[in-house]
Amino acid sequence: AQSVSQHNHHVILSEAASLELGCNYSYGGTVNLFWYVQYPGQHLQLLLKYFSGDPLVKGIKGFEAEFIKSKFSFNLRKPSVQWSDTAEYFCAVKPGNDMRFGAGTRLTVKP
Amino acid sequence: DGGITQSPKYLFRKEGQNVTLSCEQNLNHDAMYWYRQDPGQGLRLIYYSQIVNDFQKGDIAEGYSVSREKKESFPLTVTSAQKNPTAFYLCATSMGQGRWNTEAFFGQGTRLTVV
Repeated sequence: AQSVSQHNHHVILSEAASLELGCNYSYGGTVNLFWYVQYPGQHLQLLLKYFSGDPLVKGIKGFEAEFIKSKFSFNLRKPSVQWSDTAEYFCAVKPGNDMRFGAGTRLTVKP
Repeated sequence: DGGITQSPKYLFRKEGQNVTLSCEQNLNHDAMYWYRQDPGQGLRLIYYSQIVNDFQKGDIAEGYSVSREKKESFPLTVTSAQKNPTAFYLCATSMGQGRWNTEAFFGQGTRLTVV
């Protein structure tokens, strides 16, 4: 079955550490790719998106992601995390009119 | 006030009863989606609709039904056939219809508890 895989279920980091969250998908053809964040008690917000062009995309709050077509991957990165980045992060793929999400990665940043 | 309105925020129902969750949008978006969020499972697609009077099943449509009689509204009915209905339900919209390369915008969600 086609899917979106997020490899890390829970990541714990100290402030100022670097972050990389993995996302792989199994859909063929052209896809649109997204990372969403859900802060505690808040609704899902878009962090960044990739439609075409430069495979390195920058989003809000210092996040970036790299699309590697050959690896079907769209990993999220941040050079230095802050306590306020504590949240759940979801990778999403839009292979057509539908949008599919991964299981999410819970990030805990210790002050 | 623009956006996506899901109501109510919390909903309690007895087992065996059907319940309808409301989702209304004033963003003039064509596409609307229903997801179910469970801990450790992310968001799973229940149904989606690209235009009025048309909708498609997602990955976990069994036990659910939808209608799309108006562009602004996409109500989800959780029927008694749904074996494990207690969950957090999210409605989303996107521009859709020929503009598939757009992001989804989410409502605040409805937490359904079946007792």
